[in-house]
Amino acid sequence: AQSVTQPDIHITVSEGASLELRCNYSYGATPYLFWYVQSPGQGLQLLLKYFSGDTLVQGIKGFEAEFKRSQSSFNLRKPSVHWSDAAEYFCAVGSINTDKLIFGTGTRLQVFP
Amino acid sequence: NAGVTQTPKFRILKIGQSMTLQCAQDMNHNYMYWYRQDPGMGLKLIYYSVGAGITDKGEVPNGYNVSRSTTEDFPLRLELAAPSQTSVYFCASSYSGQGRNSPLHFGNGTRLTVT
Repeated sequence: AQSVTQPDIHITVSEGASLELRCNYSYGATPYLFWYVQSPGQGLQLLLKYFSGDTLVQGIKGFEAEFKRSQSSFNLRKPSVHWSDAAEYFCAVGSINTDKLIFGTGTRLQVFP
Repeated sequence: NAGVTQTPKFRILKIGQSMTLQCAQDMNHNYMYWYRQDPGMGLKLIYYSVGAGITDKGEVPNGYNVSRSTTEDFPLRLELAAPSQTSVYFCASSYSGQGRNSPLHFGNGTRLTVT
């Protein structure tokens, strides 16, 4: 069955520290992978996406993610977190064969000054 | 740029009442989606549409209905509200199928409470 797993429900980091949010997927077809961010009271906003090619993708707000097919992972990283990055982050997977995305359950990021 | 507009922002319903959640987009997107978001559960797809006149069920369609008479509008109808439908509802749209090289644009959500 197709699924997306975000193992970390809640992560807390200090401002300026590095960040890595984990995402693992199970998908039969070649996946399209996305990271979305949701600020409180808002809808989701696309951070970055991977379809093909270079497995390290850059997104908005200084985020990047690396696709590792052998590990079925698409982890999100940022070298130095800002207080404004506090939000909930969702990984999602789709493919050329579907009109639907499968979302993970999200990781809530808290940033301490 | 309005993007995806959802109304109302908040609503409280009594059990058994009905209501329609409105969603409109001005980006001429063919694909539109309704999700519900519950704490710790991520987003679950309720219904989606690939164009005017075409709708299809998602993961959790029971208790809901949709219609798509125009490209712009995709209302979600709750006929007999139940406490299990207490949730935050998001409408989204995309230029092509959401897995096909086309990101979703989300509205700001409707927070619904059924008591």
